[in-house]
Amino acid sequence: GAVVSQHPSWVICKSGTSVKIECRSLDFQATTMFWYRQFPKQSLMLMATSNEGSKATYEQGVEKDKFLINHASLTLSTLTVTSAHPEDSSFYICSARDPGLAGGRFVTQYFGPGTRLLVL
Amino acid sequence: AQKVTQAQTEISVVEKEDVTLDCVYETRDTTYYLFWYKQPPSGELVFLIRRNSFDEQNEISGRYSWNFQKSTSSFNFTITASQVVDSAVYFCALSGDSGAGSYQLTFGKGTKLSVIP
Repeated sequence: GAVVSQHPSWVICKSGTSVKIECRSLDFQATTMFWYRQFPKQSLMLMATSNEGSKATYEQGVEKDKFLINHASLTLSTLTVTSAHPEDSSFYICSARDPGLAGGRFVTQYFGPGTRLLVL
Repeated sequence: AQKVTQAQTEISVVEKEDVTLDCVYETRDTTYYLFWYKQPPSGELVFLIRRNSFDEQNEISGRYSWNFQKSTSSFNFTITASQVVDSAVYFCALSGDSGAGSYQLTFGKGTKLSVIP
């Protein structure tokens, strides 16, 4: 159980275009999903917390108009990088946790395989 | 504020050696959770273990073992008889409910383990 998928795994786009990344929880319902960004040889940086049916909570320094997050259902959150530029090139990872689990297990975040974005 | 420190940036060991990855944390929460994740070259983070703050019992899973000590705020990870497949970046992480209910993760900077055949 606790499988999270992410699509696409790779995307190359021209500067100025928008890119949508999907994150799905396959075998559980996730009221909360998280979006991270990771630069080479660095740790994960939390971008935003995505809550089903409400607005995402963005971390300080993350442009909400640049990185649009939509959590329209209990199994799907999307991240849209609008008007992408080369500096947006990065590895984007989502995670989800299963609030239905008991005994502290509901805290565990399960990660998707990530999306590598290259903006030319 | 929460903080996780992984002082070892990179470690290289020869196959079959034992290796310990260190993790020290800081938090003001009375209830919190500690994690280890493995990130192989493919990039996906693989969940290894979660430890609740009120459970200091150490755990062993095959070649993996974890030593949680609240007195020193440490949660160290030992791999016994390392194998080449253990080569990856390992992240220690901390989560606590700061009132918002989201249980965000605070990650350490990671330790890159290279196991040499």
